[in-house]
Amino acid sequence: DSGVTQTPKHLITATGQRVTLRCSPRSGDLSVYWYQQSLDQGLQFLIQYYNGEERAKGNILERFSAQQFPDLHSELNLSSLELGDSALYFCASSVAGTSGRFYQSEQFFGPGTRLTVL
Amino acid sequence: KNEVEQSPQNLTAQEGEFITINCSYSVGISALHWLQQHPGGGIVSLFMLSSGKKKHGRLIATINIQEKHSSLHITASHPRDSAVYICAALTNAGGTSYGKLTFGQGTILTVHP
Repeated sequence: DSGVTQTPKHLITATGQRVTLRCSPRSGDLSVYWYQQSLDQGLQFLIQYYNGEERAKGNILERFSAQQFPDLHSELNLSSLELGDSALYFCASSVAGTSGRFYQSEQFFGPGTRLTVL
Repeated sequence: KNEVEQSPQNLTAQEGEFITINCSYSVGISALHWLQQHPGGGIVSLFMLSSGKKKHGRLIATINIQEKHSSLHITASHPRDSAVYICAALTNAGGTSYGKLTFGQGTILTVHP
């Protein structure tokens, strides 16, 4: 158990719908990362938040958005869902030093949310 | 060409064999992760290393920064080691503290009893 929790575990929805995935980082971790794993693209970085602020963006679609709340949990919102959005969505967390040294911080992964869009 | 390349893509071994999975990267990195993903989907971090060698039980990871290459070794492999092994580069863009992981495509390991 990494200490990172994600809910829900599975989500089945229809095209055009909107869903919210939730992630709670390990106690003490300030940074949260979202990743998407699809069959054709493999694992891809979506977005990173550090202490409530967006830190880095990867291959995140405009239909997707995220935020990190004051209690450090994070939510990934996916809207206008398409069949191709079906994937495993992972969040990870890491502790960063006071200077935000992400490059020194090991990332710990949550169990993932499996999204199926029908 | 992918920024992080793994080989082989598939690996089949008999129980007890010594296994090596290789990872080459072309980006500037701060560190390299080795991850394990079981059929259920969960991802476990095995190692994070930025130089030299780390050992944990039967697993050994090495990295050569100059050659931009890392290896994961499993000694005395066991069927429970069957999983997908993924290397992921923790990129460091232009000296900026940056936590993005760039992933290899994964190596599917099957160990037969």
